Amino acid sequence: SQQGEEDPQALSIQEGENATMNCSYKTSINNLQWYRQNSGRGLVHLILIRSNEREKHSGRLRVTLDTSKKSSSLLITASRAADTASYFCATFRVQGAQKLVFGQGTRLTINP
Amino acid sequence: EPEVTQTPSHQVTQMGQEVILRCVPISNHLYFYWYRQILGQKVEFLVSFYNNEISEKSEIFDDQFSVERPDGSNFTLKIRSTKLEDSAMYFCASSKATGYNEQFFGPGTRLTVL
Repeated sequence: SQQGEEDPQALSIQEGENATMNCSYKTSINNLQWYRQNSGRGLVHLILIRSNEREKHSGRLRVTLDTSKKSSSLLITASRAADTASYFCATFRVQGAQKLVFGQGTRLTINP
Repeated sequence: EPEVTQTPSHQVTQMGQEVILRCVPISNHLYFYWYRQILGQKVEFLVSFYNNEISEKSEIFDDQFSVERPDGSNFTLKIRSTKLEDSAMYFCASSKATGYNEQFFGPGTRLTVL
């Protein structure tokens, strides 16, 4: 089974609009982390939300977690051209391997 | 702000050659990881390392792969005999405690096997 599936796969919006990306997963998790990757570059950690948390904010980022639906969303408010990147969710399971399991990612394009 | 560094940024090698990818994790971190990302695909876990030994490895991490922490700062990934399908971006990551905390990634090494 796939863990950490994001949708949409690609999202294109105008600068200043809000961008929402979703992530679904299948197994029980300890935490879920969101990362940003600019084209061909490294992964930048954005935010971690634990299974007992429902919402978390960091600057223009808002992450929600619904463990009953096994889903998370990442909202970027007032988007900027510099937000253009791929965004990945990654889950850390409650038990089992000590590793992050990444989704396929959402490619976000902010048009000026 | 402390960060994970990786060298080289790009490595080109011939099939069958050995390569060593190097990483310097964040200094007070205890857990170290290697992941890889084949172009256009997901980031995949390879191996985790703690207390000078492998704590977890994926099915990708076969006998051709090895990791080492040769001194107090470096963390290396060795591929003994590279294959075409090893071409990918390799990321090193570290975390302060177990993976139940944030994992911080390096900028990656792009490995191209010809």
